[in-house]
Amino acid sequence: DVKVTQSSRYLVKRTGEKVFLECVQDMDHENMFWYRQDPGLGLRLIYFSYDVKMKEKGDIPEGYSVSREKKERFSLILESASTNQTSMYLCASSPILGVDEQYFGPGTRLTVT
Amino acid sequence: DQQVKQNSPSLSVQEGRISILNCDYTNSMFDYFLWYKKYPAEGPTFLISISSIKDKNEDGRFTVFLNKSAKHLSLHIVPSQPGDSAVYFCAASVRRNFNKFYFGSGTKLNVKP
Repeated sequence: DVKVTQSSRYLVKRTGEKVFLECVQDMDHENMFWYRQDPGLGLRLIYFSYDVKMKEKGDIPEGYSVSREKKERFSLILESASTNQTSMYLCASSPILGVDEQYFGPGTRLTVT
Repeated sequence: DQQVKQNSPSLSVQEGRISILNCDYTNSMFDYFLWYKKYPAEGPTFLISISSIKDKNEDGRFTVFLNKSAKHLSLHIVPSQPGDSAVYFCAASVRRNFNKFYFGSGTKLNVKP
């Protein structure tokens, strides 16, 4: 079974803090993705990566950066957390181009106060 | 503007009856469509998919219909079971484009015993 794990289920941070969200997948997938889920808006893509050290902006990259130093690990960084970044963050992975579904982690509920 | 829309935020159905969840899209380049199911505190899990070369795909109690001319897809669950109660997201992609998905806002299905 594909397993995607995220470092925290719940996280509370203060405005202005630097926040790291970690995601690890164990199936040697090339593609990894970070989404945020907000009520009424569904899942919106923040960043994705199709290879080590490669990254591409998604639909809402502002205020975020990512790092992929190893194939199995994809980190989302909030350089200076703001209250409007309070959300559920979901990581996903998928194998090579053109293969069907993405596999999701359980999510991290981030609250910025 | 959202390229994938689910206009019904919630749906309530009696156990044993049919559940029909709807999804509309605007981008005619989309050639692959998926449905995901999400339980609270878990990541979305893949349910069923359909390629744009088909108009129907069936997997057990779940059937997805695609109407390309109307840019509309629907998920039918027959018969509905209480364990189907979850949030359902539809997603669309252009398969050549890094397996990047666009998600709808979700429909919360409640199947009453």
